[in-house]
Amino acid sequence: QKEVEQDPGPLSVPEGAIVSLNCTYSNSAFQYFMWYRQYSRKGPELLMYTYSSGNKEDGRFTAQVDKSSKYISLFIRDSQPSDSATYLCAMSEAAGNKLTFGGGTRVLVKP
Amino acid sequence: DAGVIQSPRHEVTEMGQEVTLRCKPISGHDYLFWYRQTMMRGLELLIYFNNNVPIDDSGMPEDRFSAKMPNASFSTLKIQPSEPRDSAVYFCASSQRIHQDTQYFGPGTRLTVL
Repeated sequence: QKEVEQDPGPLSVPEGAIVSLNCTYSNSAFQYFMWYRQYSRKGPELLMYTYSSGNKEDGRFTAQVDKSSKYISLFIRDSQPSDSATYLCAMSEAAGNKLTFGGGTRVLVKP
Repeated sequence: DAGVIQSPRHEVTEMGQEVTLRCKPISGHDYLFWYRQTMMRGLELLIYFNNNVPIDDSGMPEDRFSAKMPNASFSTLKIQPSEPRDSAVYFCASSQRIHQDTQYFGPGTRLTVL
């Protein structure tokens, strides 16, 4: 079993819909949680960064962390075709430690 | 800043040949990471450096893989000899000392070993 699990998708939604993505993990020592967006044939880019449990909002994006359930989520409101990409969750045990990535979920937003 | 620069962007080689991938991190970043991405295994950390010193190479799959960072602005990942199962996209990423978890990725090198 992988340390970080993520549904590969693809997840297809109409423009304007809410996109809901999630990851589960097994390592209770993870404290830092991130979401990266990766466009086709590009490198991943950091989207959201959260420490420990709770919610964080940035524009149309909301990240949630539930450490008790070992579950993190990313919500994209008012989705746009430009949001079509692969979304990878990543986490680390402490600042300065290496990241462990999920396999990524491919999202397609149809106009 | 130009971001993380990787070369070449594409590499096609034959089994048994030596392959060298290159990376120039963002100026001022103290950490440099090499990753490999495949459909089957996702994004895997191979090795990372702090101030040019290798810190963790536990992700390097075999002795055929080696990485160096001779100075703060340059790193190489070498595969010798290459095998078809090494075919993947190899990413280099860098981060600042204080914000290691905020990694900036390069565009990647797509390697195909025939």
